[in-house]
Amino acid sequence: GAVVSQHPSWVICKSGTSVKIECRSLDFQATTMFWYRQFPKQSLMLMATSNEGSKATYEQGVEKDKFLINHASLTLSTLTVTSAHPEDSSFYICSAPPVTGFEQYFGPGTRLTVT
Amino acid sequence: KNQVEQSPQSLIILEGKNCTLQCNYTVSPFSNLRWYKQDTGRGPVSLTIMTFSENTKSNGRYTATLDADTKQSSLHITASQLSDSASYICVVSASSNYQLIWGAGTKLIIKP
Repeated sequence: GAVVSQHPSWVICKSGTSVKIECRSLDFQATTMFWYRQFPKQSLMLMATSNEGSKATYEQGVEKDKFLINHASLTLSTLTVTSAHPEDSSFYICSAPPVTGFEQYFGPGTRLTVT
Repeated sequence: KNQVEQSPQSLIILEGKNCTLQCNYTVSPFSNLRWYKQDTGRGPVSLTIMTFSENTKSNGRYTATLDADTKQSSLHITASQLSDSASYICVVSASSNYQLIWGAGTKLIIKP
């Protein structure tokens, strides 16, 4: 099946710094990618929809200036957590649907720990 | 309000036994229903996707059913293995725009 990769798989950063997470579709093109956040023992929560060539769409309650999304190409979307705080520590997962069909393929996730 | 509810919240069974997980949804208009398996610290992996017209779909030892009239789905796992220990998440799409409504998941633990 199709593969979505994320980099890095885990990152530790200091409070106040920024962290960039990459999401790549390796063998298909995706005009749309989704970014999720998952806290321990909870299900995934959609943060934003990344659209190639246009601005991302953010879910209610998600700060667009804090979570910067750039869909640079049909195979790459990046999420930058700016001025990270300990409460931003979470598991961030991206997903990408191929242009046709219902399926969504999920990346392996990025564990962010802010100290 | 579009919602997906799963039961039980957690389940412990012995290796080799069968189990069934439940999903009820109040999502409209309905597009499709998915079951995902998520291992701890990993992204979800798709098990099945069913559209309105599909009543059942199998993927190896996993069999999903869908009753669009009662808005219920189940995931049956046959002859469980230790590697089946994971969270199983029911997800419903309200339309064809790819946005998904997530259940809280059922945490399944298989004991030897």
